[in-house]
Amino acid sequence: EVQLVESGGGLVQPGGSLRLSCAASGFTFSIYEMNWVRQAPGKGLEWVSYISSSGSTIYYADSVKGRFTISRDNAKNSLYLQINSLRAEDTAVYYCARDGAVGQQLVRGYFDYWGQGTLVTVSS
Amino acid sequence: SYELTQPPSVSVSPGQTASITCSGDKLGDKYACWYQQRPGQSPVLVIYQDSKRPSGIPERFSGSNSGNTATLTISGTQAMDEADYYCQTWDSSAGVFGGGTKLTVL
Repeated sequence: EVQLVESGGGLVQPGGSLRLSCAASGFTFSIYEMNWVRQAPGKGLEWVSYISSSGSTIYYADSVKGRFTISRDNAKNSLYLQINSLRAEDTAVYYCARDGAVGQQLVRGYFDYWGQGTLVTVSS
Repeated sequence: SYELTQPPSVSVSPGQTASITCSGDKLGDKYACWYQQRPGQSPVLVIYQDSKRPSGIPERFSGSNSGNTATLTISGTQAMDEADYYCQTWDSSAGVFGGGTKLTVL
């Protein structure tokens, strides 16, 4: 069974940092592209970042570029998101999501499995 | 930046057909997918690459994409289909979601 389990969320002051983790199991993590998607309270979904299976290709949403860093450790079946210079508008549930279009072009990608999410709250 | 537009809400009677639209510039030239999100739960993929249905998703869910509009159609809508629905595509190496549509079954 495919499982994605996020952790690392919490309450942080504006300007602070957090490192989110996503532990993957039930599939061959190293061959799948992965993403982070967030959802502010009561709002819609917002794509945050993408990383290729090898980690060599990375993309970010403009809203987080320069502040967030995505990475992965295929030996540990884990995905990470380092979030720095946090702002109130970064308050959201952060989901890791697997790209089901393994080995295909990015434009064919879709999020076939999602974790339960981890809540990041930015407040003083 | 690229935008996808969805109606905020759609209502349907049980057993009837619900159609949720997603509009974007030349969206038909891209791939669209759809996610269902029930309150307090993580999103679930219901349609990918315009019209493909993942394993375990009921046949009453179908999708199409042409011109500037992708459409999610739910035939024989059931009470359990009441949820928020989001369309999504990729543009210039960035994921893009629509604003979401709340489907009410009444």
